[in-house]
Amino acid sequence: GAVVSQHPSWVICKSGTSVKIECRSLDFQATTMFWYRQFPKQSLMLMATSNEGSKATYEQGVEKDKFLINHASLTLSTLTVTSAHPEDSSFYICSASPTQGYTDTQYFGPGTRLTVL
Amino acid sequence: SQKIEQNSEALNIQEGKTATLTCNYTNYSPAYLQWYRQDPGRGPVFLLLIRENEKEKRKERLKVTFDTTLKQSLFHITASQPADSATYLCALSGSARQLTFGSGTQLTVLP
Repeated sequence: GAVVSQHPSWVICKSGTSVKIECRSLDFQATTMFWYRQFPKQSLMLMATSNEGSKATYEQGVEKDKFLINHASLTLSTLTVTSAHPEDSSFYICSASPTQGYTDTQYFGPGTRLTVL
Repeated sequence: SQKIEQNSEALNIQEGKTATLTCNYTNYSPAYLQWYRQDPGRGPVFLLLIRENEKEKRKERLKVTFDTTLKQSLFHITASQPADSATYLCALSGSARQLTFGSGTQLTVLP
């Protein structure tokens, strides 16, 4: 149980285009989902916290107009990287906290590798 | 500012031995601490959670200790196997459930 999926698993796009990444909790409901970014050989850095039905809370230094987050249901959150540039190339990982049960635990998706040319 | 340090970037041990990884933190009073395993190109996998009022937690070959006075957690893998080779991350959380991750320790278990 507690499976989180991400789609796509990897994407290559041209500079200036927008890319949408989906994060789904497959077998549980998640009121809260989190989006992280990880650069090579570095740890995960929290970008934003997403609560179902409300606006996301962004960490300091993360541009909310560039990284659009939508959490429209208890099982789906999306991250859209708008007008992507090569410096946005990274490994994007989402996580979800169950609404019931182990609510302090975050279950992570497999990640999405974004490469901007 | 909050700081989380994991003892070393890389740790090599012989198969069958106990691996001990360290996580130290400063300027933080976490409600709980978690350990994750991350394989290359994959998202982290949850291993264990220990709360501030717990001293020790075990799960199969894994053991975590949490010393809030020393501001340190130790993560042990007993009878280590080559399949245990991965990067292990510690993460701290306050009441908001947001996680702050350490930089990780890459463990290699040599056959």
